[in-house]
Amino acid sequence: GDSVTQMEGPVTLSEEAFLTINCTYTATGYPSLFWYVQYPGEGLQLLLKATKADDKGSNKGFEATYRKETTSFHLEKGSVQVSDSAVYFCALKDSNYQLIWGAGTKLIIKP
Amino acid sequence: ETGVTQSPTHLIKTRGQQVTLRCSSQSGHNTVSWYQQALGQGPQFIFQYYREEENGRGNFPPRFSGLQFPNYSSELNVNALELDDSALYLCASSSSRDSNSPLHFGNGTRLTVT
Repeated sequence: GDSVTQMEGPVTLSEEAFLTINCTYTATGYPSLFWYVQYPGEGLQLLLKATKADDKGSNKGFEATYRKETTSFHLEKGSVQVSDSAVYFCALKDSNYQLIWGAGTKLIIKP
Repeated sequence: ETGVTQSPTHLIKTRGQQVTLRCSSQSGHNTVSWYQQALGQGPQFIFQYYREEENGRGNFPPRFSGLQFPNYSSELNVNALELDDSALYLCASSSSRDSNSPLHFGNGTRLTVT
């Protein structure tokens, strides 16, 4: 079945460092791809999405490009802030409207 | 605009009991989905309701059931609780069942089964 694999955490970076969180997927068909974020004490929030190959989703300085050839949707940010500390989830939505999630990557940003 | 609200926030039950969790969807949203999130893992899709009918189900046994009401609020019922049912249960609503519609999540109900 469809699946999402993302890099294990925690990922610890200093403020202003460059961030990459890897996400790869296995799917039949052409799923939509998402990154969700869960800040401490808060619910899950959509960060960005891409619905077809080569689409780039972006929000709050984060970007991810839907790469069909490598089945990847890596999350990047050029300069992270302490406020970016959270758990990040990569997910895909299949043709049955089911959202399939990665295990999450905890990001810790130190001042 | 009122967001997604879930009740209760925490619940403790004994193995074999039954539980009902509730979710009020965001205003204007007609689709509700439920997820189970075990500690340290990503959410697992339980099922989705669109206009009061189930239109998608994950790999969960029949003792997990649900309802959606005419006002699009929803319930998740779990019978014959097992210890492994201990988890955070998340409800999400969206404006359509279309894959491009963003999900709006509640803060979840933390269920502990002893």
